[in-house]
Amino acid sequence: GENVEQHPSTLSVQEGDSAVIKCTYSDSASNYFPWYKQELGKRPQLIIDIRSNVGEKKDQRIAVTLNKTAKHFSLHITETQPEDSAVYFCAASPSGNTPLVFGKGTRLSVIA
Amino acid sequence: GAGVSQSPSNKVTEKGKDVELRCDPISGHTALYWYRQSLGQGLEFLIYFQGNSAPDKSGLPSDRFSAERTGGSVSTLTIQRTQQEDSAVYLCASSLSVDIQETQYFGPGTRLLVL
Repeated sequence: GENVEQHPSTLSVQEGDSAVIKCTYSDSASNYFPWYKQELGKRPQLIIDIRSNVGEKKDQRIAVTLNKTAKHFSLHITETQPEDSAVYFCAASPSGNTPLVFGKGTRLSVIA
Repeated sequence: GAGVSQSPSNKVTEKGKDVELRCDPISGHTALYWYRQSLGQGLEFLIYFQGNSAPDKSGLPSDRFSAERTGGSVSTLTIQRTQQEDSAVYLCASSLSVDIQETQYFGPGTRLLVL
């Protein structure tokens, strides 16, 4: 089955700097890669996702890149702000009805 | 509109007791998922209800865990003979269609503590 590894487990950046979180997956059939953000004490929320037919997707300050050959994908946050502080989870799914497999999460702290 | 709701928000129980956790999905959402989130861990898939099809129970950790979804709406996750290692946050999510690639909307979770 699918296995998703996420790094780093914790990340601290200065406000205004960029943050990058990386995930690798094992199943070459995976074709859907969402990212969820979970603020302290709150529920996870989808922030961006990418499908295997594209290599990059952007939404304002966040972007996701996908390298299918290397089986890894990354979340990039530019111009970080204190409200970006949260735990970020990556996930992968091989097909339309195979459950998502999540990484263990990255705790991002943005220091003002 | 109303999001996914879960009850209770917190549950403390004694080892060996049974517990029931409830999830109310977003109205009209066909798919419903249960996950477990242990401290410092990711989201562990438990079970997935996919409309009228048989649920995918492949993530349930033992036969002490079961879930049902009545009338295609509300779902209940039952843990029998609870153990201390069952302590975790149990999250429910729903999505509009049964396609896994549809956005999942999470509830606030039920924090379970087994003493």
